[in-house]
Formats: sequence, structure tokens, C-alpha cells
Amino acid sequence: EDKVVQSPLSLVVHEGDTVTLNCSYEVTNFRSLLWYKQEKKAPTFLFMLTSSGIEKKSGRLSSILDKKELSSILNITATQTGDSAIYLCAVEMSSGSARQLTFGSGTQLTVLP
Amino acid sequence: NAGVTQTPKFQVLKTGQSMTLQCAQDMNHNSMYWYRQDPGMGLRLIYYSASEGTTDKGEVPNGYNVSRLNKREFSLRLESAAPSQTSVYFCASSDHSGIVQYFGPGTRLTVT
Repeated sequence: EDKVVQSPLSLVVHEGDTVTLNCSYEVTNFRSLLWYKQEKKAPTFLFMLTSSGIEKKSGRLSSILDKKELSSILNITATQTGDSAIYLCAVEMSSGSARQLTFGSGTQLTVLP
Repeated sequence: NAGVTQTPKFQVLKTGQSMTLQCAQDMNHNSMYWYRQDPGMGLRLIYYSASEGTTDKGEVPNGYNVSRLNKREFSLRLESAAPSQTSVYFCASSDHSGIVQYFGPGTRLTVT
């Protein structure tokens, strides 16, 4: 059975801290891994990773994929209260007629002032 | 561009009632998706449509039907609502050449 597991399930930090969120997967026919940020409503896209070892960066957020370890990490440096959200990891597999994603259960990040 | 829109935003149903959730996108995307999100369970795929005229089951299709009315619109129907269908429902779309999905604002459904 295909699985995407995120850890930790929740995390509480103070502004200025650095956090690392983890995503591990056991899927057949892996194609890519995506990270989304979900605040009150719709998930919004952060990164898509297809190749091992290549860091994607956007401001204080960065992410990297390790295909050998079947995992990815999302780093947030100098956290701000606006980073408080659920962070979702999703894996794309080759199957079916549309390109489908399997999501992990998410990490709830709370950043305190 | 509005992106992906969903109606209604909130709905309360009694067990056994039916309803249709509407979704539309104005990005000319080929693929559209319906997910449900329950606490601690992430997003689970209900149905998807790779292109106009086609629909396929996802991970949790039981109790739901869908219609891809045209390229823009993809509706989700609950024929006989059950309390287990209490959830937040998200519609999403993606271009056929890309995996990035763009989500609507969600519909919070409660079945009593």
C-alpha cells in the first residue's frame, strides 16, 4: 500500500526559530514530491521536487529530496507568526489517466510571538 | 482570474438528504479533482477527471458521484448523505502537462 508519512504531526516554536519538517514515502512508481502550505483555507503550492540532492529555495523556505532515503525535508529559517499553518507533503505516482497526488496527513506548525 | 471557485462555502444536511457541490476553474486546465479533508488524515482523493468527458474513482469514491459538465466545471454529488461524509471538500485543477494542483477555498459540509 502506498504511504506518505509526515513528522512531526505538530510543532510549536517561537519567532526566529528554525524548523525542519519531514516527509517519508513508500510508493510504487515515484515521479515527484510536492509541498503545500495550508492556512485557513485552500492549500497553496510551495515546491515540487523531482531530483535527489537539488535544493529548492524560496525566501526563508527550502526543501530537498533524498530518493535513496525515500524522504524530503522542508526547512523554514527565522520563523514568523505568518508561517503558522499546516504543511502538506504529497507524492505523485505514475498511474491512471490523470496525474494523481497522495497526501500525507500534514504537520501543524504554530509560531508564537 | 478567479482561479478555482466552489459553492457553497458551508452546508448542513440531514442524513439521507442529497446535494451537489459545484466547482469551476477559469485557468483552462484539463484535469480536475475532488478531495475530502478530515482531521489528522490529510487530503484524500474522491474522484478525478483527466479531461472533459472522463471521470475516474480515487481513493474514497463510495457514496459520491461526479459530473464533468464541461472543461470548466466539475461537480460532486452526494445522493444520500451520511454523518461519515461530514468533512471539508476541496476541488482542484491542474494542466495536463503539470502536476501542480490549484485548490479552491473548500466547502465545509456537516451531516447530522
